Amino acid sequence: GDSVTQMEGPVTLSEEAFLTINCTYTATGYPSLFWYVQYPGEGLQLLLKATKADDKGSNKGFEATYRKETTSFHLEKGSVQVSDSAVYFCALPFYGGSQGNLIFGKGTKLSVKP
Amino acid sequence: NAGVTQTPKFQVLKTGQSMTLQCAQDMNHEYMSWYRQDPGMGLRLIHYSVGAGITDQGEVPNGYNVSRSTTEDFPLRLLSAAPSQTSVYFCASSYGRAAEAFFGQGTRLTVV
Repeated sequence: GDSVTQMEGPVTLSEEAFLTINCTYTATGYPSLFWYVQYPGEGLQLLLKATKADDKGSNKGFEATYRKETTSFHLEKGSVQVSDSAVYFCALPFYGGSQGNLIFGKGTKLSVKP
Repeated sequence: NAGVTQTPKFQVLKTGQSMTLQCAQDMNHEYMSWYRQDPGMGLRLIHYSVGAGITDQGEVPNGYNVSRSTTEDFPLRLLSAAPSQTSVYFCASSYGRAAEAFFGQGTRLTVV
C-alpha cells in the first residue's frame, strides 16, 4: 500500500546551518505531496506542497522538489533559524485521495541552537 | 477566521469513562478526519468522513465512534476509555480528495 518514509530525528543544528530532511514515498500514480510543520503545543500547519512531478514547493525559505524518478520529496532550507525548531511531517493522500485524508511519515524533530 | 476548532484542549479521564471530543469547521469542507498522535508513531487515522451521513474506519478505529450529522461537525466518542487511548487527538478537514488538510489545535487526552 501507499506509504511515506522520512528520516527520523531528532536533528540538532546551529543557527544558519543548512537543513535537509529526507522523505521518500510509495504510491500508485503521482499523488500530491505535502510537508507539514508542528510547532510546540500546536496543531499541524501546511508548510508547502507540490502537485505534480518536478514541481517545487516553497514557503518561508523552505523548498522541496517532487522527484518521481527517485520517489522523493526532500525538505531543504539554506539557513535555519531558532524559530524553525519544530516537528516536520511528510505526507501524501490516502489511497490516491479517495478518502480525503493523508498518510504521514513519523515526523522529524528539528532543534536549532543559537 | 476560525478554521477547525477542537474542544476541549486538555482532558483527564478515568479508565472506563466515556467522553466526546468535539470538532467543528467553518470552511464548508466535505472531508473530515480524526487522527491520533503518539511519540514515534506519527499521525494515525482513526475515522474519517467524506460527507454528512457518511463515515468509515481508518487505521486504528477500535474503541472510538463517530457520526456526521452536519457538514460542520464531526465528534469523536470514546466509549470506555483505556490507558492505551492516552494521546493527542487532531481533527482535520479538507476541501478535496487529494487536497491538503487543515488541522485543529488538538486535544491532549490522558486516561488514568
